[in-house]
Amino acid sequence: DTEVTQTPKHLVMGMTNKKSLKCEQHMGHRAMYWYKQKAKKPPELMFVYSYEKLSINESVPSRFSPECPNSSLLNLHLHALQPEDSALYLCASSQEPRIYYEQYFGPGTRLTVT
Amino acid sequence: GENVEQHPSTLSVQEGDSAVIKCTYSDSASNYFPWYKQELGKRPQLIIDIRSNVGEKKDQRIAVTLNKTAKHFSLHITETQPEDSAVYFCAASFNTGTASKLTFGTGTRLQVTL
Repeated sequence: DTEVTQTPKHLVMGMTNKKSLKCEQHMGHRAMYWYKQKAKKPPELMFVYSYEKLSINESVPSRFSPECPNSSLLNLHLHALQPEDSALYLCASSQEPRIYYEQYFGPGTRLTVT
Repeated sequence: GENVEQHPSTLSVQEGDSAVIKCTYSDSASNYFPWYKQELGKRPQLIIDIRSNVGEKKDQRIAVTLNKTAKHFSLHITETQPEDSAVYFCAASFNTGTASKLTFGTGTRLQVTL
């Protein structure tokens, strides 16, 4: 199974809501990533988890809170978002945190903040 | 931090012609350079990658070349087909110590016309 899954596919939320995005992989990968992608732009790294520990936080606002409950799961908790946070949120995983290995992307969650 | 420039931003070729996309990177310590293809509404997918100890790599109609001295790398697609139409992103790795991360170029929208 070489697939990264993400739920939900689409999410619409108000600025006062709390929601979570979920990512799952069963490839035994030990590095997992969250990216944000705006329309017609490249993916922009948000967080890197290495062996279930947060290794990189690209100065992401605290209204985004990542969580890695186990080696297969990655969550992104959302609270008090702004309309400019509307984007495609991509999860990815790779075999090891060192980037010599391919990153496999999930299909993404398209988030709209109203 | 790492900066990756990508040109051109759009490229239109006729079916059967070749397409070339060029990228430059800023961090001389970068050692891994993947290329991703992203079709409309879909996830980025790795099409080819190259490591810093290799100057060229080929996979059927796709090839990548790397010039470490000049910090340039290029994607070459020969005998283009309509299904090659997509956005292509180059990327370069940057090692922070605990984990590595990818910085993406701004993307090239390739249109293959009949």
